[in-house]
Amino acid sequence: GAVVSQHPSWVICKSGTSVKIECRSLDFQATTMFWYRQFPKQSLMLMATSNEGSKATYEQGVEKDKFLINHASLTLSTLTVTSAHPEDSSFYICSASEGTGGLDEQFFGPGTRLTVL
Amino acid sequence: KQEVTQIPAALSVPEGENLVLNCSFTDSAIYNLQWFRQDPGKGLTSLLLIQSSQREQTSGRLNASLDKSSGRSTLYIAASQPGDSATYLCAVRPGTASKLTFGTGTRLQVTL
Repeated sequence: GAVVSQHPSWVICKSGTSVKIECRSLDFQATTMFWYRQFPKQSLMLMATSNEGSKATYEQGVEKDKFLINHASLTLSTLTVTSAHPEDSSFYICSASEGTGGLDEQFFGPGTRLTVL
Repeated sequence: KQEVTQIPAALSVPEGENLVLNCSFTDSAIYNLQWFRQDPGKGLTSLLLIQSSQREQTSGRLNASLDKSSGRSTLYIAASQPGDSATYLCAVRPGTASKLTFGTGTRLQVTL
């Protein structure tokens, strides 16, 4: 099956610093990538949808200037948490699909645990 | 706005039991429904995907059914094993968009 990787798998940073998380599709071209966050014992909440070469579409309530998403190639999307604060500590999961219409199956990465001190 | 609910929130069963996890959704205009498994601190593993035109899908000891008109799906796990212990999430995709809406999850523990 299709494989999606994330790097790093976990990161600890100081408050005020920026953190970049990478999401890669290893064996397919990801036209569309999605970023989710998950708080402990809660479900996944979609943060944004990105299509290769265009600006990401953010969900209501998600600050686009705080969570910068870049989808510069068909195999790589990055999420940068700028000026991170403790409340940004969460589990971030990306997913990727091949289809241009976004209705193809999404394949999920293993997640990145962010802890902001 | 689509809302997805899973009942029960947590479940503990002895090894060998058959069990059913429930998922309900408020808007029946869906494109498909998917069941995932999530181990603690890990990402999602897709278990079964049911298209809106299908009634059920099977994979090994897992069987998922879909009743779109009533807004319900069930995941049946036969002969449960300790290795089945995980959180199970269902997610629905609307007919016109790419977004998945996830349910609240059921934490399953299978005891020896």
